[in-house]
Amino acid sequence: DTAVSQTPKYLVTQMGNDKSIKCEQNLGHDTMYWYKQDSKKFLKIMFSYNNKELIINETVPNRFSPKSPDKAHLNLHINSLELGDSAVYFCASSQAYTNGRDTQYFGPGTRLTVL
Amino acid sequence: QKEVEQNSGPLSVPEGAIASLNCTYSDRVSQSFFWYRQYSGKSPELIMSIYSNGDKEDGRFTAQLNKASQYVSLLIRDSQPSDSATYLCAATREGAQKLVFGQGTRLTINP
Repeated sequence: DTAVSQTPKYLVTQMGNDKSIKCEQNLGHDTMYWYKQDSKKFLKIMFSYNNKELIINETVPNRFSPKSPDKAHLNLHINSLELGDSAVYFCASSQAYTNGRDTQYFGPGTRLTVL
Repeated sequence: QKEVEQNSGPLSVPEGAIASLNCTYSDRVSQSFFWYRQYSGKSPELIMSIYSNGDKEDGRFTAQLNKASQYVSLLIRDSQPSDSATYLCAATREGAQKLVFGQGTRLTINP
């Protein structure tokens, strides 16, 4: 059983296109996250949702728009893709937001390549 | 100063030896600490978490936290080639689930 799943696993697209990445968790968690891991393997948080409500919005360009239709799903839409958006995007989830000790479980990642 | 800092390595250790991974952190993150392991092309997975000063052991892994020195480490005893991976140190702020990661240390265990 997959706990946190993402689609697609690979995404290759041209500059200027719009693309979406989908994430689903079946752990019953309240909180979900999007992380970006660059070519140097540095992992940085982008967004977090708790029960469909946006609670963390790091300094991310407006071209990135997360959407959470329900607490089991968190999607990431990216407009006008740029070369610098090429990275691996990880979705994660945790039981709750207020407890800083909750384990975050990561999805398999989506490798985005912008040509 | 970065919030969480690690030596990016690579760190090379012979099989069977102790691998020691280190991490320092700033005042901006000081509550809960985590070590994640990430194999090449895979997602991070949690190995250990530590919240209080001192040592915490789990099998071959020991996490050490020293809040006075703002230092957290991970020891891997009896290192195996399967331990070869990038190890990510992460910390959260009080009352928040915002994980801040270090840049990771690439560890290679040589048979």
